[in-house]
Amino acid sequence: AQSVTQPDIHITVSEGASLELRCNYSYGATPYLFWYVQSPGQGLQLLLKYFSGDTLVQGIKGFEAEFKRSQSSFNLRKPSVHWSDAAEYFCAVGYNDMRFGAGTRLTVKP
Amino acid sequence: DVKVTQSSRYLVKRTGEKVFLECVQDMDHENMFWYRQDPGLGLRLIYFSYDVKMKEKGDIPEGYSVSREKKERFSLILESASTNQTSMYLCASSLGTGPYGYTFGSGTRLTVV
Repeated sequence: AQSVTQPDIHITVSEGASLELRCNYSYGATPYLFWYVQSPGQGLQLLLKYFSGDTLVQGIKGFEAEFKRSQSSFNLRKPSVHWSDAAEYFCAVGYNDMRFGAGTRLTVKP
Repeated sequence: DVKVTQSSRYLVKRTGEKVFLECVQDMDHENMFWYRQDPGLGLRLIYFSYDVKMKEKGDIPEGYSVSREKKERFSLILESASTNQTSMYLCASSLGTGPYGYTFGSGTRLTVV
């Protein structure tokens, strides 16, 4: 069965600190992989995606993600977090119809 | 920019009512999707459509139906609303088959009383 796991429900980091959000998936074959961000009261916005090639992908807002086939993981990273990054982050996998993780809420301390 | 517009931001309906949630996209996308978002559960796929008059069940279709009479419009129907259908409903569209990602609407927060 297809599933997406985001192990961390809530993460708090200090502004300027680095960030890593975890995502693991279970799928028949390597699916397309995505990260979305949802700011409070807003719709979801695509941050980045992976479908083939270089396993380190760059996205918007200074985010990057690394695909590791052996671990079925697609973790999101940012070297230095800004207060405006406080939001909920969703990992999604699939081909045409995607499945989403439960989300990780990021709080940024001043 | 592609826009996905959901007709209502907030909606309050009574138990047993038939409810229509409308979604329109303006960039000729082939695929359209309906999800519901609940705290701690993320987004769960209700129905999707790859073409006009086509529909496919997602993971939680019970109590819902959909209609896609025109390419740009995808409607979600709650045949007889129940309190457990109180949720945030998100519509999304994508260009077609391939790694295109979704464009989401702003969502409709439905409360069934």
